[in-house]
Amino acid sequence: DSGVTQTPKHLITATGQRVTLRCSPRSGDLSVYWYQQSLDQGLQFLIQYYNGEERAKGNILERFSAQQFPDLHSELNLSSLELGDSALYFCASSGQRPGSYEQYFGPGTRLTVT
Amino acid sequence: AQKVTQAQTEISVVEKEDVTLDCVYETRDTTYYLFWYKQPPSGELVFLIRRNSFDEQNEISGRYSWNFQKSTSSFNFTITASQVVDSAVYFCALSEAGYGGATNKLIFGTGTLLAVQP
Repeated sequence: DSGVTQTPKHLITATGQRVTLRCSPRSGDLSVYWYQQSLDQGLQFLIQYYNGEERAKGNILERFSAQQFPDLHSELNLSSLELGDSALYFCASSGQRPGSYEQYFGPGTRLTVT
Repeated sequence: AQKVTQAQTEISVVEKEDVTLDCVYETRDTTYYLFWYKQPPSGELVFLIRRNSFDEQNEISGRYSWNFQKSTSSFNFTITASQVVDSAVYFCALSEAGYGGATNKLIFGTGTLLAVQP
């Protein structure tokens, strides 16, 4: 158990819909990262938050947005869903102590868009 | 630009064989970090090891060992006496240093599927 929690574990929805994925980082970790894993794109970085502020952006679509709340949990919002958005979405956290550069991953949310 | 290449898509071995997973990276940063993650069939990503660019010392942890060579930009992973439970997809990843101990994004390779047959 990495200490990172993600809900829900599975999500099935229709095209055009909007969903919210939730992540709670490990206790004390200030950084939260979102990644997408799909068969054609592999593991891709989407966005990073550090202590409530956006730190880095990757290949995140405009239809996707994220935020990190004061209690450090994060949400990834996916809207106007398309079939191609079906993927495994991971949240990771790091930064618990100085020199701790590892990212610990949650179990992922498997999104299926039908 | 940063890039990680795992040329081996799939490897199949018989239990107790030794197996080496290759990882080659590209970066212009002088300070960077290398990682290996394991993704078993259950789907989670499990952190295995982190290596700093300024520390080329090889590491051994039980049946696992890692060989980091800056001269060839490689960070290879060897499993000795493989077991069925080692069957998984293994990802090599690269990142640059960030602020306050927080890394920037991980750049993943495409992964190597290791199948260990009994």
